Amino acid sequence: QQPVQSPQAVILREGEDAVINCSSSKALYSVHWYRQKHGEAPVFLMILLKGGEQKGHDKISASFNEKKQQSSLYLTASQLSYSGTYFCGTVSGSARQLTFGSGTQLTVLP
Amino acid sequence: GAGVSQSPSNKVTEKGKDVELRCDPISGHTALYWYRQSLGQGLEFLIYFQGNSAPDKSGLPSDRFSAERTGGSVSTLTIQRTQQEDSAVYLCASSLVGPTGNTIYFGEGSWLTVV
Repeated sequence: QQPVQSPQAVILREGEDAVINCSSSKALYSVHWYRQKHGEAPVFLMILLKGGEQKGHDKISASFNEKKQQSSLYLTASQLSYSGTYFCGTVSGSARQLTFGSGTQLTVLP
Repeated sequence: GAGVSQSPSNKVTEKGKDVELRCDPISGHTALYWYRQSLGQGLEFLIYFQGNSAPDKSGLPSDRFSAERTGGSVSTLTIQRTQQEDSAVYLCASSLVGPTGNTIYFGEGSWLTVV
């Protein structure tokens, strides 16, 4: 079951904040976040495992609410280099394979 | 190699022909995944290999698609009787063990164009 991401696209100015949401109808074991730039392979950002766990590096962080089967990615003081498509991937059910959402296209303008 | 290696990087084929796409995962990684990404679209799961277990083939779109993994390392994705809708980037990825809690590393992809 594919997770649902929102919004589909967001445009912001350099220095502004953004939140990308990911939700699933199934119980989740883990949530993965990736960023993909045009014509390139997806690049790993972070994995979250436990309910309520938060992680972050630099100005990008994420939370995972296991009970609500939701994760959010927070980008603060966005930089031009943050532009790209962000994908959340979820591991759920007995199959334990990683299924990705449809992506959120983020554009940071100067 | 240091990363996931895929070949060919680009392939143009005529409709109806068969194609083989190769993936060489990171050394020591027991889990291997194939995804398909059409232009401007998301990552569509195709198949997942984990060690010696039977692969999860639930994402293969039709019986024209098959994949094997020899010796627990290199994998080949085969598309028979290609159709124009098969045109996409085929991404291979690997992880140390399964995806729960483990970073998945992607290759650069094989761009397939069916004309």
